[in-house]
Amino acid sequence: NAGVTQTPKFRVLKTGQSMTLLCAQDMNHEYMYWYRQDPGMGLRLIHYSVGEGTTAKGEVPDGYNVSRLKKQNFLLGLESAAPSQTSVYFCASRPDRGSETQYFGPGTRLLVL
Amino acid sequence: GQSLEQPSEVTAVEGAIVQINCTYQTSGFYGLSWYQQHDGGAPTFLSYNALDGLEETGRFSSFLSRSDSYGYLLLQELQMKDSASYFCALRDQAGTALIFGKGTTLSVSS
Repeated sequence: NAGVTQTPKFRVLKTGQSMTLLCAQDMNHEYMYWYRQDPGMGLRLIHYSVGEGTTAKGEVPDGYNVSRLKKQNFLLGLESAAPSQTSVYFCASRPDRGSETQYFGPGTRLLVL
Repeated sequence: GQSLEQPSEVTAVEGAIVQINCTYQTSGFYGLSWYQQHDGGAPTFLSYNALDGLEETGRFSSFLSRSDSYGYLLLQELQMKDSASYFCALRDQAGTALIFGKGTTLSVSS
């Protein structure tokens, strides 16, 4: 099993450009999460999904959209990137409500100029 | 909402014991988790406390007191490889979202 994978690993955007970050998991997990990590701020939850076709807002959802059309994939979209969205983005998955462990992907480093 | 407070940095020497504290504010939650993150890496799960008391996993132990809104991670027999950031995290009352503290950077020296 590859576990949780994220594409791309690194990206540079100009202000106003759009992009989609892809998270894929091959563990048949129900729950998936998107976090951003900034120096001194820890991990902040952007959006999450408790199953295929469902999404919910986390702590810092503004400026981001998500979709979970397939159970194994969770997409994070930036419609109009801003320098404040420069961050490391981590995706995580979790088997179900009865399991406490979240499995994280390797992260995507995004730089918005 | 939920918030968690933990020290930003802790230093210790090899072989020592270190305790990383976490205090929280929440209207209700499922339990307290701890994650480890090495520099440049992904967070990995260490432990979880659903109930008050101590949970032990090898050299690491975690404690929760719901009445005091307090928990801690105890690392024994410290090794250089334990140098990392450690995050406490709350699972919300619905059992879905996991909210993290800002993390504690542990530096272990020889």
